Amino acid sequence: GNSVTQMEGPVTLSEEAFLTINCTYTATGYPSLFWYVQYPGEGLQLLLKATKADDKGSNKGFEATYRKETTSFHLEKGSVQVSDSAVYFCALIQGAQKLVFGQGTRLTINP
Amino acid sequence: DTEVTQTPKHLVMGMTNKKSLKCEQHMGHRAMYWYKQKAKKPPELMFVYSYEKLSINESVPSRFSPECPNSSLLNLHLHALQPEDSALYLCASSQTPLAGRADTQYFGPGTRLTVL
Repeated sequence: GNSVTQMEGPVTLSEEAFLTINCTYTATGYPSLFWYVQYPGEGLQLLLKATKADDKGSNKGFEATYRKETTSFHLEKGSVQVSDSAVYFCALIQGAQKLVFGQGTRLTINP
Repeated sequence: DTEVTQTPKHLVMGMTNKKSLKCEQHMGHRAMYWYKQKAKKPPELMFVYSYEKLSINESVPSRFSPECPNSSLLNLHLHALQPEDSALYLCASSQTPLAGRADTQYFGPGTRLTVL
């Protein structure tokens, strides 16, 4: 079946550091890929998405590229802020409306 | 506008109570979802409604009863819950529940439920 694997957290960085959160997936065909962010005490917000190979999703300085050859969708940001502290979920969906989530990566940014 | 609203924000109930969670969207989406999220875990799918009809039930206990009165509204009726049902309950919606096509799901802020 489909699955998503995210890098283990928690991740702690200093403000203005470069961020990478790794995400790889297992699926047949071409799923759509997503990054959702969950701030403390809140629901999930869609951060970015990509629906086909080589697509790059971007939003709020975050980027991720759909890499079919490596089955990856790594999240990157060039300079993180304290306000980026949250839990980040990589997810895929294919056909049957069932989102498959990774386990989540907790990110803490220190001033 | 990609807003899904949920009420109440917090709910505390006893094991003998009956309560309901409400979810609303005005984006014209025709698929709506209930998820359950325990602390430090990803959301788990509970139910999916497509065109106001229940299309997926992920073997959820009958003490959870979903209802979709119209295309904008989704309810989750709760009865005789257990303390282990305490969690964040998230509603989501997506545009077009066509077979073989998967649309982006937009989530609400959730209802934090505590069962005493």
